[in-house]
Amino acid sequence: AQSVTQLDSQVPVFEEAPVELRCNYSSSVSVYLFWYVQYPNQGLQLLLKYLSGSTLVKGINGFEAEFNKSQTSFHLRKPSVHISDTAEYFCAVRERRETSGSRLTFGEGTQLTVNP
Amino acid sequence: ETGVTQSPTHLIKTRGQQVTLRCSSQSGHNTVSWYQQALGQGPQFIFQYYREEENGRGNFPPRFSGLQFPNYSSELNVNALELDDSALYLCASSLGAGRETQYFGPGTRLLVL
Repeated sequence: AQSVTQLDSQVPVFEEAPVELRCNYSSSVSVYLFWYVQYPNQGLQLLLKYLSGSTLVKGINGFEAEFNKSQTSFHLRKPSVHISDTAEYFCAVRERRETSGSRLTFGEGTQLTVNP
Repeated sequence: ETGVTQSPTHLIKTRGQQVTLRCSSQSGHNTVSWYQQALGQGPQFIFQYYREEENGRGNFPPRFSGLQFPNYSSELNVNALELDDSALYLCASSLGAGRETQYFGPGTRLLVL
């Protein structure tokens, strides 16, 4: 079984400042990694994903994340945030296997609040 | 390309009632997964349907059941509703049941009184 820990439940930052949202995972098998964003009263939107290859992954809205296998981490970063980035961010993992029944396991979420 | 849609957007039920939530998958996607997101928490996997068969289930009781239809749309049924069933129910579709990315709908918010 796998688990995901998002180390910060809330992250307040000022506009145009850099931000890092931390995610650690635990799994007995190799995993795929995802970050989703959820705006108020909406569903989840995929920000970026790591399936294989380069450990630095770029996503939408200027976000990027780095997969660190030795530290079992997948931290999300943005060099300069905007007010519109205020949302809940979820890190998720999925077992790396081609068989059916794979599921996403989510962390508890990090509320990013960007202040003017 | 049409995204994942869910209906209704909101509904209110009383304890003991039954509810059916609906999901239309993204065009070309044959796999649908359902998740429950309680307030202030991350989504929890309920089950997945692949080509009309249940294809994996999370830690939810049998009163949570589902269907997938030949057009790959899906239903989530919950019987004997409990107060703790109040949550946002999310449907996600994908091209297959393996490594493909899941794309989420806007969710149905269920309130059980």
